[in-house]
Amino acid sequence: AQSVAQPEDQVNVAEGNPLTVKCTYSVSGNPYLFWYVQYPNRGLQFLLKYITGDNLVKGSYGFEAEFNKSQTSFHLKKPSALVSDSALYFCAVRDHMYSGGGADGLTFGKGTHLIIQP
Amino acid sequence: EAQVTQNPRYLITVTGKKLTVTCSQNMNHEYMSWYRQDPGLGLRQIYYSMNVEVTDKGDVPEGYKVSRKEKRNFPLILESPSPNQTSLYFCATQSGSGTGELFFGEGSRLTVL
Repeated sequence: AQSVAQPEDQVNVAEGNPLTVKCTYSVSGNPYLFWYVQYPNRGLQFLLKYITGDNLVKGSYGFEAEFNKSQTSFHLKKPSALVSDSALYFCAVRDHMYSGGGADGLTFGKGTHLIIQP
Repeated sequence: EAQVTQNPRYLITVTGKKLTVTCSQNMNHEYMSWYRQDPGLGLRQIYYSMNVEVTDKGDVPEGYKVSRKEKRNFPLILESPSPNQTSLYFCATQSGSGTGELFFGEGSRLTVL
């Protein structure tokens, strides 16, 4: 069975410093990986995804993530944190073997609260 | 503007009183899904639908029903709500490809007393 782990419930970063939110995964085949962000009282918003190709993917709001197959990781990063980045972040994985049948098979991590301190 | 609209956004009800949470999308997506979000558990899928009249169970379907009579709507039905169904519910859609991202509604916070 596939799974996603976000090992940190909360990450605290000072404004202007680089940030990393960690995600590791387990799938049988090749992974499709996603990051979503949830602001208070809002639905989840898509940030970025890795499907194939370049291991470094860039997304919305200056975020990027690096796919590392050997470490089965897909950590979310940003060079300089903003207070407005404070939110709940979710990593998700889908095994590519599900893709032919449609859009089910997506597994979410438990989420990481990112707190950016002024 | 692409939208997934859920109603109601907030609801307090009592055990056993049937309720429906509506979900409507304007993106003409075939795939729709319902999730519940609980602290420390992340998002768990309740039901999903690949197309009109095609629905299937997710990870936590007990106590819920869905229907998909038309492409744009995917209501979530709680026939006899119980307190353990107190949660934050999200409807989501996706384009047909398995590589596509989800588009979420704003959420419906349900409290069952």
